[in-house]
Amino acid sequence: DTAVSQTPKYLVTQMGNDKSIKCEQNLGHDTMYWYKQDSKKFLKIMFSYNNKELIINETVPNRFSPKSPDKAHLNLHINSLELGDSAVYFCASSQGGGSTEAFFGQGTRLTVV
Amino acid sequence: AQSVTQLGSHVSVSEGALVLLRCNYSSSVPPYLFWYVQYPNQGLQLLLKYTSAATLVKGINGFEAEFKKSETSFHLTKPSAHMSDAAEYFCAVTSGSNFGNEKLTFGTGTRLTIIP
Repeated sequence: DTAVSQTPKYLVTQMGNDKSIKCEQNLGHDTMYWYKQDSKKFLKIMFSYNNKELIINETVPNRFSPKSPDKAHLNLHINSLELGDSAVYFCASSQGGGSTEAFFGQGTRLTVV
Repeated sequence: AQSVTQLGSHVSVSEGALVLLRCNYSSSVPPYLFWYVQYPNQGLQLLLKYTSAATLVKGINGFEAEFKKSETSFHLTKPSAHMSDAAEYFCAVTSGSNFGNEKLTFGTGTRLTIIP
């Protein structure tokens, strides 16, 4: 029974296309995140949501638009994809508060060609 | 701003030898520190965390880490390496304490290779 699940696991698309990644958590957490892992394995936060409200928007291009229809779901829509968007995108969730750990999904490997 | 530095992007140890992965942090407030492990093509899994309860923290798979404020360090150790420990390891610190505004700031990762 997967705690944080993302779909799709792999996504290959052409430049200029629009794509979405979906995330769902069944842990009952109020806080969800999107992290980006680049080709050098560096991880950086993109967005966080608490109970459907956007809290953190970490200087991400506005081609990236997160949406949280309810607190168990957080989707990421990307417009006009560029080569530099190729990365692994991780969804995560936590109970919130600095001392609680984040639970990560398996990641979505996005390749823009 | 908070940050972590992981010394050594690649560490190789023999099976059965001590594993030592280094992490130093910078924080203007008492930090919460984490070690995560990432196996190939998988997500991140929590190994252990420091939240000020005890300076020596024990985690899963035989790993432990010691918080040393004087050295601003949180090094990860395991007495005896196993082949299954081969993975990428990330040290992280959280900033923010209100719900939703906390975020993990990761180090650059250390790839651990186990030599048979």
